[in-house]
Amino acid sequence: AQSVTQPDIHITVSEGASLELRCNYSYGATPYLFWYVQSPGQGLQLLLKYFSGDTLVQGIKGFEAEFKRSQSSFNLRKPSVHWSDAAEYFCAVGGNDYKLSFGAGTTVTVRA
Amino acid sequence: DAGVTQSPTHLIKTRGQQVTLRCSPKSGHDTVSWYQQALGQGPQFIFQYYEEEERQRGNFPDRFSGHQFPNYSSELNVNALLLGDSALYLCASSYQGSETQYFGPGTRLLVL
Repeated sequence: AQSVTQPDIHITVSEGASLELRCNYSYGATPYLFWYVQSPGQGLQLLLKYFSGDTLVQGIKGFEAEFKRSQSSFNLRKPSVHWSDAAEYFCAVGGNDYKLSFGAGTTVTVRA
Repeated sequence: DAGVTQSPTHLIKTRGQQVTLRCSPKSGHDTVSWYQQALGQGPQFIFQYYEEEERQRGNFPDRFSGHQFPNYSSELNVNALLLGDSALYLCASSYQGSETQYFGPGTRLLVL
């Protein structure tokens, strides 16, 4: 069975500081990995995805993520956080069975 | 280019009632998936429709059913509503052969 663990429920970061959100997955084959962001009361916006190839992927809004097969991880990073990055972030894993499995999410608070 | 749209945005029902939620996929997409997101949790996969048929289902009871129309739009029906069905219901669309799903803004259902 596929699953995702996001160990950090809540992270507070200062504006301009770097951000890293952790994601660990369990999947029996080569996974497709995604990061989505959700602002309060909104749907999910795709930040980036990894299917194959280069293990460092770039996304929108200055985010990047690195796939590490040996650690079953797909951590999200941003070098310098803006106040508008305050939101909830979800990591998801998918495959050839059509469904996405999501983690419980990490809430990011940005302080001035 | 319109993204995924959902209606209504909010809905209040009482226990035992039935509800129908609607989704129009992103232009060019032919596959629709539905997810339930309870408060404070990540989205949970309900089912996916392709070519007007349900082709994958998550761990949800038969009270949850769906339909896909020839224009690829979709409905989610929930019968005999329970208090625990209160959640944000998200629709996601994709096109056959792609694992990337794009989400709509969701319908927030409150069951009293």
